[in-house]
Amino acid sequence: AQTVTQSQPEMSVQEAETVTLSCTYDTSESNYYLFWYKQPPSRQMILVIRQEAYKQQNATENRFSVNFQKAAKSFSLKISDSQLGDTAMYFCAFSSESARQLTFGSGTQLTVLP
Amino acid sequence: EAQVTQNPRYLITVTGKKLTVTCSQNMNHEYMSWYRQDPGLGLRQIYYSMNVEVTDKGDVPEGYKVSRKEKRNFPLILESPSPNQTSLYFCASSFSGGTRRVGEQFFGPGTRLTVL
Repeated sequence: AQTVTQSQPEMSVQEAETVTLSCTYDTSESNYYLFWYKQPPSRQMILVIRQEAYKQQNATENRFSVNFQKAAKSFSLKISDSQLGDTAMYFCAFSSESARQLTFGSGTQLTVLP
Repeated sequence: EAQVTQNPRYLITVTGKKLTVTCSQNMNHEYMSWYRQDPGLGLRQIYYSMNVEVTDKGDVPEGYKVSRKEKRNFPLILESPSPNQTSLYFCASSFSGGTRRVGEQFFGPGTRLTVL
């Protein structure tokens, strides 16, 4: 079974600064997918970024980028130029290639301070 | 608008009173799933369905039932709710394998359930 670990329950960052959220996972599969989801106070789950394990290049989406280290089984999220609207719970998630299950970490509550 | 809808959004009920939470998607997705979210535990999968009439247990299926008679609908049934099923529930859908977007799940708005 896969496991996903987010070791930072809470983090804060000043507006316009950069912050990195950590995520590690455990799997015996060679191909899989990794995701970061954002959950603002509205509770809606919003996909932030997606990484395919067979791709060497780290995914980027505007101010959001990942540092994917396959050998270390690490998948961190970097948010640049933090904005107040980035305040949310962030979940790291793993999906096997069969895509039957999405396994989530416990989440990191990020607060952007003005 | 492409979306996943859930009803009701909020529900307060009593122990033992059967209830159903509906979920519907309009994106022609083969895959649908139910999760519950509890503080400190993230989201945990209850049941999932790879296609019509095909369902399987997730990590926490006890006390829940599902059915998939139509592609767009995937209701969650609590036959005899108990207080430990008080939680925030999410329905999600996605395409199955064979597409570049495999595994990327679209979530409904959530259902806050309280069992007294």
